[in-house]
Amino acid sequence: GAGVSQSPSNKVTEKGKDVELRCDPISGHTALYWYRQSLGQGLEFLIYFQGNSAPDKSGLPSDRFSAERTGGSVSTLTIQRTQQEDSAVYLCASSLAPGLYNEQFFGPGTRLTVL
Amino acid sequence: AQRVTQPEKLLSVFKGAPVELKCNYSYSGSPELFWYVQYSRQRLQLLLRHISRESIKGFTADLNKGETSFHLKKPFAQEEDSAMYYCALSENTGFQKLVFGTGTRLLVSP
Repeated sequence: GAGVSQSPSNKVTEKGKDVELRCDPISGHTALYWYRQSLGQGLEFLIYFQGNSAPDKSGLPSDRFSAERTGGSVSTLTIQRTQQEDSAVYLCASSLAPGLYNEQFFGPGTRLTVL
Repeated sequence: AQRVTQPEKLLSVFKGAPVELKCNYSYSGSPELFWYVQYSRQRLQLLLRHISRESIKGFTADLNKGETSFHLKKPFAQEEDSAMYYCALSENTGFQKLVFGTGTRLLVSP
């Protein structure tokens, strides 16, 4: 079956604009994660969704970042008033359920460039 | 705070040579450790995890709690092993957000 998909694959925007990044997890996966990878940095956790529970937003770097997950499936990460330091690759991952034995499957990422 | 350190940005070896990709971590509890790999133009994927005690594609990793290390090893490198390798840890409780190192690029030359 299809893996995790993300759109767009590339996004170039101007400083101050809002952007939306989309993630389609693997069907049936209840856990969904967002990470980002800035140049020269490791992947950084942003937010986690599990089923209908309240998301864990502990990794969001500022209140300009928000995310939602509709119907327990598709997720959208929104960045308002983008800044140049937001330029990064944003990765989405999903797993069947939370737990050490449940592998996180990653999408191809969205490369965001803020000019 | 949780932290994963991969001291080498690039490791270059010849085909058939042994490989060791270093990973050190800091965590106050008992973490679970993983190695992820990203081949050229492919997505990030799990290579192996400590909890499974497995060997994948000839790679192994041993958790050394005394040295807080989880180095990735392979006795004889192959050209197809060339990729970006990331060490990661997660808490052993609750949901498993991953804390990643900055990665090591392995280049295996013929």
